Amino acid sequence: DAKTTQPPSMDCAEGRAANLPCNHSTISGNEYVYWYRQIHSQGPQYIIHGLKNNETNEMASLIITEDRKSSTLILPHATLRDTAVYYCIVRGATSGTYKYIFGTGTRLKVLA
Amino acid sequence: GAVVSQHPSRVICKSGTSVKIECRSLDFQATTMFWYRQFPKKSLMLMATSNEGSKATYEQGVEKDKFLINHASLTLSTLTVTSAHPEDSSFYICSAIPQSSYEQYFGPGTRLTVT
Repeated sequence: DAKTTQPPSMDCAEGRAANLPCNHSTISGNEYVYWYRQIHSQGPQYIIHGLKNNETNEMASLIITEDRKSSTLILPHATLRDTAVYYCIVRGATSGTYKYIFGTGTRLKVLA
Repeated sequence: GAVVSQHPSRVICKSGTSVKIECRSLDFQATTMFWYRQFPKKSLMLMATSNEGSKATYEQGVEKDKFLINHASLTLSTLTVTSAHPEDSSFYICSAIPQSSYEQYFGPGTRLTVT
C-alpha cells in the first residue's frame, strides 16, 4: 500500500500559486519525500525531493513539516502546462527499498 | 541527462501472441530498472524490479511466466507479455536508477492494445 495520501483533485487559477498537500504520517526517519507529475499519456516527470529541510528548484518548492508527517508542493506561478496528476512518494534510503509505491495522486487542473 | 526511452511507443497485437517492450537508459548505466503498468485514470502499479544480471523480483499478484523480464545489460531491460489477452491492454512504463543515484527516471511509456 502507498505510504502517502493526497486529495484526488484541485483547481488553480493560471498565474496563482498551486499548493498540493501530501500526508505521509508513517514516514521513517531515513525515508525521502519525492514528487513527480504525469501529464496525460506520458511517463512521470521528476519535480523535487527532500528529507527534512525545505527545498526549492526551478520547478517548485517543497515544504516539509517539522515532524515530517506531511509536505506541500508549491508551484509558484501555475501555467496551463502544469495541468497534470501530481504524485507524492515516500522512498527508502537503503538498497532494496528504492522502489516507489504510487498512491492515487492529485489531479491538478490549471484554469485560464 | 538521465533519459530513458521505450520502444515501441504503441503496439497492437492479436490475442494469443507475445509482444516485447524495450526500455533503454540512453546516457547512463542502470543496474536497477522497474516496470509499471497503468490502467486508464488509475495510478501506476509496480509490476517488478529488474536487476542487471539476475532474475527480476515480481510484486505480489504479478505472474512472472506471463510477464517475462530480461535485464541483459546495464542499459537495456525488456518486458515480454506472453500469450497476450485483451485484459493485458494497458500503458506500460519503465524507469531506471542511475548508478550512484537513487532517483528513478521514467520512460515515456508503451501503449499496448490486445485485440
